[in-house]
Amino acid sequence: GNSVTQMEGPVTLSEEAFLTINCTYTATGYPSLFWYVQYPGEGLQLLLKATKADDKGSNKGFEATYRKETTSFHLEKGSVQVSDSAVYFCALGADNDMRFGAGTRLTVKP
Amino acid sequence: NAGVTQTPKFQVLKTGQSMTLQCAQDMNHEYMSWYRQDPGMGLRLIHYSVGAGITDQGEVPNGYNVSRSTTEDFPLRLLSAAPSQTSVYFCASSYEGPPMNTEAFFGQGTRLTVV
Repeated sequence: GNSVTQMEGPVTLSEEAFLTINCTYTATGYPSLFWYVQYPGEGLQLLLKATKADDKGSNKGFEATYRKETTSFHLEKGSVQVSDSAVYFCALGADNDMRFGAGTRLTVKP
Repeated sequence: NAGVTQTPKFQVLKTGQSMTLQCAQDMNHEYMSWYRQDPGMGLRLIHYSVGAGITDQGEVPNGYNVSRSTTEDFPLRLLSAAPSQTSVYFCASSYEGPPMNTEAFFGQGTRLTVV
């Protein structure tokens, strides 16, 4: 079946550091890929998405490219801020079913 | 614009009790879904609906029932609560189901403890 694996956390960075959170997937067919972010005490919010191979999703300085050849959708940001501290989830959508990774907690220190 | 509204926010149940988690959306979305979030496991799909009168099972449906009598509402019922159902539950809605080009909107969650 479909599944998502993302790097374990927690990740702690200093402000303005470069961020990468790895995500790989297993799927049949042509899924869509997503990154969601969860702030404390809140539900998930869509951060970015890509619906076909080689698409790049971007939002708020975050980027991820849908790589079919490596089955990956790594999240990157060039310069993180304290306000980026949250839990990040990689997700795969196909056939009315969403599969989420376990989540990566990011803490950014001033 | 309320978005997705879940009630209650917190609930404690005794083993064997039943309850219904409410979910309502005001965006006229066809697709609605319920997830549970457990530490280290991300979110797992319990049940989903692609429209009024249509529901289907997700990854972890056992112990839960759903119905969709209107476009707006998608309640989740626990028939006989068990400690293994202690979790945070999220309802979500979107214009269409995965794979999709439209955003999924999540409620703020219900933290359920079964003792």
